[in-house]
Amino acid sequence: DIQMTQSPSSLSASVGDRVTITCQASQDISNYLNWYQQKPGKAPKLLIYDASNLETGVPSRFSGSGSGTDFTFTISSLQPEDIATYYCQQYDNLALTFGGGTKVEIK
Amino acid sequence: EVQLVESGGGLVQPGRSLRLSCAASGFTFDDYAMHWVRQAPGKGLEWVSGISWNSGSIGYADSVKGRFTISRDNAKNSLYLQMNSLRAEDTALYYCAKDSSSGWAAVDYWGQGTLVTVSS
Repeated sequence: DIQMTQSPSSLSASVGDRVTITCQASQDISNYLNWYQQKPGKAPKLLIYDASNLETGVPSRFSGSGSGTDFTFTISSLQPEDIATYYCQQYDNLALTFGGGTKVEIK
Repeated sequence: EVQLVESGGGLVQPGRSLRLSCAASGFTFDDYAMHWVRQAPGKGLEWVSGISWNSGSIGYADSVKGRFTISRDNAKNSLYLQMNSLRAEDTALYYCAKDSSSGWAAVDYWGQGTLVTVSS
């Protein structure tokens, strides 16, 4: 089974900061990597699909990159409404796997 | 508007069974794969099971394989999860989730979840 290692597990940054989260797959997953945002008490929301494609309606300050085993999620300018936990997720034959999550807080 | 409404959660004793249901609306149900994803209190997301549009492909997490069974009824726009031999570690909020494709890809819509508590 493919394992997803996400880091850091938490971070604190100031409004306007650039925030970067990484996700590493245990084997090559091509670009089969998605990113989600989950706010407290809410269901997750898809932000980025297939490593770098922005879901419709998602602000352009969110972006993703990478392929193979190493992936990056970036918030170019952190906003107060971005406080949430972010998850990466890979998909391969008959399984989805989520990373452990990154909790983003405002400093 | 896509809507996914879960039901069937509750308090159950270890070793007993429970069946979750998900009523889908607002999209052509039999065009898309569907999943169950769970989240234990204060923990991260865990994929539980997925089923392709025509039930031809089904997958399970190792943690539930042999105990849980996913199914769908396209005529009723409904997804199900039969959970047997429940354990304390199955306690979680269970989300019904729509895939963005007919197979396995991204989850583009989520329900609000139904809480399953396994305790004596």
